[in-house]
Amino acid sequence: NAGVMQNPRHLVRRRGQEARLRCSPMKGHSHVYWYRQLPEEGLKFMVYLQKENIIDESGMPKERFSAEFPKEGPSILRIQQVVRGDSAAYFCASSQVTRGYNYGYTFGSGTRLTVV
Amino acid sequence: TQLLEQSPQFLSIQEGENLTVYCNSSSVFSSLQWYRQEPGEGPVLLVTVVTGGEVKKLKRLTFQFGDARKDSSLHITAAQPGDTGLYLCAGVKEKLTFGTGTRLTIIP
Repeated sequence: NAGVMQNPRHLVRRRGQEARLRCSPMKGHSHVYWYRQLPEEGLKFMVYLQKENIIDESGMPKERFSAEFPKEGPSILRIQQVVRGDSAAYFCASSQVTRGYNYGYTFGSGTRLTVV
Repeated sequence: TQLLEQSPQFLSIQEGENLTVYCNSSSVFSSLQWYRQEPGEGPVLLVTVVTGGEVKKLKRLTFQFGDARKDSSLHITAAQPGDTGLYLCAGVKEKLTFGTGTRLTIIP
């Protein structure tokens, strides 16, 4: 997991504040995926990005959530006006895809968001 | 929506026993992966199965992919306390779709 870096590891926000979660993919990986995990549950897909493009955002809530993966720098998952229900672990994964073949996913250690 | 149902959801057994975890879906996937997740960490890939009917062994763990590539099983022989964790199956298409998870506890 050391290859995909997520920060912060823990984030506490008050209701109504903004949360910004960062993910630096493994070197050479240009595909990033964000997942959310509630306690005792599996991971739910949120969004799939390549550099400067959102490929699939079918799992993103339509309001308050946004994601980007700029040409330079980490991928950012942004949650505006957080509510208690946003409290969860957010995981990022990266992969290398060449000519449609995915070489496998590597996950970061996650960011645990707590909304108080 | 593609759903992968895992069973059982929770399993607690004595050290040395055998166990099987199941992963079932109504969708066909190009491949299926199994992950183990420790508390406070991200999932770690255990195996990828690609071909219908494929069986892969990883020491005491045996993974099988169903003939129709919709279901899979994980069998652990002589379970050890170090096997404790959350086991997740994931179907692979353009993205990973995770199963509901099986939390396994091995009692020494």
